[in-house]
Amino acid sequence: EVQLVESGGGLVQRGESLRLSCAASGFTFSNYWMTWVRQRPGKGLEWVANTNRDGSAKYYVDFVKGRFTISRDNAKNSLYLQMDDLRVDDTAVYYCARAGGTDFWGRGTLVTVSS
Amino acid sequence: DIQMTQSPSAMSASVGDRVTITCRASQAIDTLLVWVQQKPGKVPRCLIYGASDLQIGVPPRFSGRGYGTEFTLTISSLQPEDSATYYCLQHKDGGTFGQGTKVEV
Repeated sequence: EVQLVESGGGLVQRGESLRLSCAASGFTFSNYWMTWVRQRPGKGLEWVANTNRDGSAKYYVDFVKGRFTISRDNAKNSLYLQMDDLRVDDTAVYYCARAGGTDFWGRGTLVTVSS
Repeated sequence: DIQMTQSPSAMSASVGDRVTITCRASQAIDTLLVWVQQKPGKVPRCLIYGASDLQIGVPPRFSGRGYGTEFTLTISSLQPEDSATYYCLQHKDGGTFGQGTKVEV
């Protein structure tokens, strides 16, 4: 069974950093692109970033470029999102999803940025 | 950047109705389009990938069509459990979601 479990969310102050993790199981992690998606309170889904199978290619939405870094460790079946210089409007549930096409989703982790 | 324009933004329909949601891409994306369903308070789930392929476990009343810039999601016979918000997602160039369509049954 495919499972994606996010962790690392929490309450931080504006300008601080957080590192999200996504533990994958039930499939060959290294065979898939991986994606981060977020959902701000009461809003729609926002694509954040994705990375290719070996982590050599990374793509970001404009509003996180230079602040967020996606990475992966295929030996640990894990995906990461390093979030620096957090802003109040980065407050959201962050989801990890398998593949560029997000065919399976984790349950998400809540990031709250206070002013 | 590729923009996705989804319509309508909301709709109300009855059980058994045929419902169609449309997504237009600002440039051609081949069939690199996914439809995602999100029920209130729930995790999103993929319904359709590759513009027209049904994800495992998704009822066959859901179908997707399109290529290039025009795509549709159709629910052939709407059921009460289909009340949800539906999003399209292009993954040709990074990723972009449509604005979502809230379907009320």
